Amino acid sequence: AQKITQTQPGMFVQEKEAVTLDCTYDTSDQSYGLFWYKQPSSGEMIFLIYQGSYDEQNATEGRYSLNFQKARKSANLVISASQLGDSAMYFCAMREGSNGGFKTIFGAGTRLFVKA
Amino acid sequence: IAGITQAPTSQILAAGRRMTLRCTQDMRHNAMYWYRQDLGLGLRLIHYSNTAGTTGKGEVPDGYSVSRANTDDFPLTLASAVPSQTSVYFCASSVLTGGEQYFGPGTRLTVT
Repeated sequence: AQKITQTQPGMFVQEKEAVTLDCTYDTSDQSYGLFWYKQPSSGEMIFLIYQGSYDEQNATEGRYSLNFQKARKSANLVISASQLGDSAMYFCAMREGSNGGFKTIFGAGTRLFVKA
Repeated sequence: IAGITQAPTSQILAAGRRMTLRCTQDMRHNAMYWYRQDLGLGLRLIHYSNTAGTTGKGEVPDGYSVSRANTDDFPLTLASAVPSQTSVYFCASSVLTGGEQYFGPGTRLTVT
């Protein structure tokens, strides 16, 4: 079974609008972490935002926020006020395990296109 | 500050040849990782190291080996390359195992 599922292979959004990229996860661990990374066309992977499973508040980093719904096992990325530079692949990832045995698993990604 | 460097940037390799992909970080991070990225599959973990002197197997370790003799370097070796190892390889590091990861620019490897 997929540990991380990103159901949107591609998404379009108009510049200056908000967009939500979906991510659902599957784990039996009580303690885990969720990450989002951005991969522009240049190829590098850039860390965006992190949410711990025990964090009660949704994580925010500038225009990025993580809509964490633990009961639904979803960790959607919300990008507000989209910019042309936001066009990229976005990967959701989950860290599970314990000290000495952490594993980070990535989803297949969602390609975001921002239209002018 | 360079962060993480990888070499080579790209390589075409004949099947059966041995190849070492180099990865060096200057951030003094404890944990390092090797991933391969294939279209539609995201990133898959090959091997990892929680700290210098230790290594572990990831999701797709077969055909690859790693070593971690010191904090900075984490080379990935393909002992006898096969065409299915054609991929983009990313090295990454994190302060502690399980933390947010910082990635190198990647190595594009083609095995013919």
